[in-house]
Amino acid sequence: RKEVEQDPGPFNVPEGATVAFNCTYSNSASQSFFWYRQDCRKEPKLLMSVYSSGNEDGRFTAQLNRASQYISLLIRDSKLSDSATYLCVPRGFNKFYFGSGTKLNVKP
Amino acid sequence: EAGVAQSPRYKIIEKRQSVAFWCNPISGHATLYWYQQILGQGPKLLIQFQNNGVVDDSQLPKDRFSAERLKGVDSTLKIQPAKLEDSAVYLCASSPGQSDTQYFGPGTRLTVL
Repeated sequence: RKEVEQDPGPFNVPEGATVAFNCTYSNSASQSFFWYRQDCRKEPKLLMSVYSSGNEDGRFTAQLNRASQYISLLIRDSKLSDSATYLCVPRGFNKFYFGSGTKLNVKP
Repeated sequence: EAGVAQSPRYKIIEKRQSVAFWCNPISGHATLYWYQQILGQGPKLLIQFQNNGVVDDSQLPKDRFSAERLKGVDSTLKIQPAKLEDSAVYLCASSPGQSDTQYFGPGTRLTVL
């Protein structure tokens, strides 16, 4: 079983839509979680960190369900600039596990 | 604050040749990571340093890959000899400590012909 599983997408949504991605992880001892955003042919950049049940930052909300071992990312009022691949990253003991990412295309 | 620097940005070599990549982490960051990212996949950790010591190199193909961080600052990753399947982006990241957020450099895109 993979450490991290994400739906590769692509999710094609119109501007202004709300979209959600799920990520499941296998290590129940994972201590914290991160969502990274990666634009085409660029490096990953931190979008948000999640240490407890969830986190909210503007249009972005991450929710953690430890019992079911999944974490979700919700994007409200999608912008064209949100088009990217979103990587889910659980952290075990001093070790980070990168998912393969979910691709989002926001269309006019 | 300057970010993680990497060079070269692009490299094209033929199989069986050697290649080296360089990384300069954010000043003061003790932890340095090298990742390999193949198109369509997430970054795969090759090696993790804490200062100049290796913390994790379990996924480093040691028959052809080597890495060092002699003074606990800059790092080099070498491939010798290269294979076609080594074509990927090699990302360097750094963080203040092993549990902290990682910051990535722009990567080196390697093409092996």
